[in-house]
Amino acid sequence: DAGITQSPRHKVTETGTPVTLRCHQTENHRYMYWYRQDPGHGLRLIHYSYGVKDTDKGEVSDGYSVSRSKTEDFLLTLESATSSQTSVYFCAISAGNNSPLHFGNGTRLTVT
Amino acid sequence: EDQVTQSPEALRLQEGESSSLNCSYTVSGLRGLFWYRQDPGKGPEFLFTLYSAGEEKEKERLKATLTKKESFLHITAPKPEDSATYLCAVPSTGSARQLTFGSGTQLTVLP
Repeated sequence: DAGITQSPRHKVTETGTPVTLRCHQTENHRYMYWYRQDPGHGLRLIHYSYGVKDTDKGEVSDGYSVSRSKTEDFLLTLESATSSQTSVYFCAISAGNNSPLHFGNGTRLTVT
Repeated sequence: EDQVTQSPEALRLQEGESSSLNCSYTVSGLRGLFWYRQDPGKGPEFLFTLYSAGEEKEKERLKATLTKKESFLHITAPKPEDSATYLCAVPSTGSARQLTFGSGTQLTVLP
């Protein structure tokens, strides 16, 4: 899995609660990404990072924030979870622009 | 707006029955096209990158080709273990760091 660990693998939470998902890599890659995957929508980019403390928004960033204080860790936070954020979340890493992404095995999040 | 369309959505083949999956895209200035395989409960696994029309890449029973408007993933004499969802993606027009993914083709190979 290209040295990518996502935690937790599964989480059930209630509407309105904060949730943080963690992605840890051992490849020392510069770029890290958070995607969500939903039936009928495919994979959509939430946020990405191009270096420590350097992040940018993706296609579906509303309701999400990210932080990257170390090269190896990229955190995704849902400040106040909503049912529409029920999804499978994937972290990915890449060595550079136009380099292929390598994905973790995902976190299945259910917001009740 | 960048678009990536994959067809068919689902494909069922008998073992040994060759076929092709299609990925068509609309993006200004293609900077590569990526193919991935995704098994249930797992993240996508990188297969190929194609950069220019006419380019081909092969891996076991899979061969990917690229034209100016679409890419094909040819599967020759598939086996049940080739069953998976196959995704293609292209860098977005606005930012090469962002990939636009297709919705995938779910391939089932029956023994």
